[in-house]
Amino acid sequence: QSALTQPASVSGSPGQSITISCTGTSSDVGSYNLVSWYQQPPGKAPKLIFYEVSRRPSGVSNRFSGSKSGNTASLTISGLQAEDEADYYCCSHARTNTFVFGGGTRLTVL
Amino acid sequence: QVQLVQSGAEVKKPGASVKVSCKASGYSFTSNGISWVRQAPGQGLEWMGWINVYNGYTNYAQKFQGRVTMTPDTSTSIAYMELRSLRSDDTAVYYCARESRSGSYFDYWGQGTLVTVSS
Repeated sequence: QSALTQPASVSGSPGQSITISCTGTSSDVGSYNLVSWYQQPPGKAPKLIFYEVSRRPSGVSNRFSGSKSGNTASLTISGLQAEDEADYYCCSHARTNTFVFGGGTRLTVL
Repeated sequence: QVQLVQSGAEVKKPGASVKVSCKASGYSFTSNGISWVRQAPGQGLEWMGWINVYNGYTNYAQKFQGRVTMTPDTSTSIAYMELRSLRSDDTAVYYCARESRSGSYFDYWGQGTLVTVSS
């Protein structure tokens, strides 16, 4: 099972919007609306920020939104803030009841 | 509140085994599965496998089959992950993560356990 494809890095200025893509295949992202996203600040454990493509857990800012089209899922962060700086990982359910993560995207707030 | 607390850092020699624990609290231990995810230094997250804590059913990533064993101790609410025949590229932070009731995402994570494999 190959990792999902994410850009290695994205950056934006405070107040701007950025989008992180997550491309898989018809065996994972394309087959299931079971994509989740995790935020990982440096040196810390990942934290769930989206599940089932576009569902946001309580406590997560509504500046974050998720979507999916075909084999690609996307995470959009609007109104960038310094505290958003972290690594972001997508994850998809895959066939044979397994999971596959993306390679991760480092978000830098300029 | 839900908490997953993992055992401390380990240093192992190549060829040895390591067993990492993950103590759950704040919920009914048998109601959710536990997955294990690892992260090599400077690298991304890698899913290793999952255990149904209620019945002990496991599903391991193909890469780790034959080398990993995940077990639950329902009397103490602790999940274990044992990795055998350690190699230097097994050096990583190992996380346990609680799966949602739907089994489609990881809603709580342990703090991570650093396993260093070095001669």
